[in-house]
Amino acid sequence: DVKVTQSSRYLVKRTGEKVFLECVQDMDHENMFWYRQDPGLGLRLIYFSYDVKMKEKGDIPEGYSVSREKKERFSLILESASTNQTSMYLCASSYPSGSQFFGPGTRLTVL
Amino acid sequence: GENVEQHPSTLSVQEGDSAVIKCTYSDSASNYFPWYKQELGKRPQLIIDIRSNVGEKKDQRIAVTLNKTAKHFSLHITETQPEDSAVYFCAGAFGNEKLTFGTGTRLTIIP
Repeated sequence: DVKVTQSSRYLVKRTGEKVFLECVQDMDHENMFWYRQDPGLGLRLIYFSYDVKMKEKGDIPEGYSVSREKKERFSLILESASTNQTSMYLCASSYPSGSQFFGPGTRLTVL
Repeated sequence: GENVEQHPSTLSVQEGDSAVIKCTYSDSASNYFPWYKQELGKRPQLIIDIRSNVGEKKDQRIAVTLNKTAKHFSLHITETQPEDSAVYFCAGAFGNEKLTFGTGTRLTIIP
């Protein structure tokens, strides 16, 4: 079974803090993705990575950065958290041209 | 850019009846269309997918149809059961590894 895990289920941070969200997959997938999910907007892609140290912007990359130093781990970084980044963050992974498998999500609240 | 529109946003059907959710897309280069089911508080899970070289795919009570000429695809659930209640997302892959998601349909099965 594919297993995608995320470092926290719930996180509360203050405006201006630097926030790290981590995702780990155990299926040796090349591709990893970060989405945010907001009511009425579906899932929107923030960044994705198709190989170690490789990254590509998604549809809403502003205010975020990512890091992929190892194949199994993909980190999302909020350099200076703002209230409009309060959301559910979902990580996913896949083989090239394969189905994406999601982690359980991190609900981030920025106060 | 790529766009996927999903309708309806909410759908209520009597248990045992069929449910149909429709999605349209704008980019004719799309080649892969997965459907995800997300139960309350859980991660999105892939339930069925279709590639652009076939027109229909079925898996027990779930089927997906694809009309490439009209650029739309649909999810059909027959003999609905209470456990089918969830939010369903369609998505399209447009020539690369990225998925563009629809905004979701909240399906409620009325006992």
